[in-house]
Amino acid sequence: DGGITQSPKYLFRKEGQNVTLSCEQNLNHDAMYWYRQDPGQGLRLIYYSQIVNDFQKGDIAEGYSVSREKKESFPLTVTSAQKNPTAFYLCASSFNGYGYTFGSGTRLTVV
Amino acid sequence: DQQVKQNSPSLSVQEGRISILNCDYTNSMFDYFLWYKKYPAEGPTFLISISSIKDKNEDGRFTVFLNKSAKHLSLHIVPSQPGDSAVYFCAAIDGEDNDMRFGAGTRLTVKP
Repeated sequence: DGGITQSPKYLFRKEGQNVTLSCEQNLNHDAMYWYRQDPGQGLRLIYYSQIVNDFQKGDIAEGYSVSREKKESFPLTVTSAQKNPTAFYLCASSFNGYGYTFGSGTRLTVV
Repeated sequence: DQQVKQNSPSLSVQEGRISILNCDYTNSMFDYFLWYKKYPAEGPTFLISISSIKDKNEDGRFTVFLNKSAKHLSLHIVPSQPGDSAVYFCAAIDGEDNDMRFGAGTRLTVKP
């Protein structure tokens, strides 16, 4: 079955540590996206990539980094520079930009 | 600047009645609108969409209405069922840059 896999589902990080969230899709979608969800804020775009080896910053890219070395994979690194990293992170992909398929999300908690 | 707004954080309706979720937007370049449904600890799933050239799209119990002049869209669910209880996100796509913007979501609770 085609879909998007995010791992892990729950992640705990100590302050000052970098952590990488995995996102893999087998939908053959060109575009991939990372969103962050906070209560009352909806989904806010962190980074997106339209093609392999290319990505752009979204609305809240500070403290995050991404790579797109393969079409199927778009990992997100939450760096120690991110001041408030505790949130629910969602990865999505899109074939033509109209309508996304989402992963099941990763809940990151800083302890 | 929040371009897509869902002003009601929560809505509670009785089973069998109509649920109406509202969404307002400010960007006149939005040309495609979507509703997503989200259960706790899961990613959103696509529900229904509408192009800006239409004013209504219906799919089973779900109907989306678009009022371009008012920059307003709404999702009607009738009859509402307890399984519809979830958070509903309104989303809009800017046809120029294909960016999708989400509202903050409305938590719908359908009581048996």
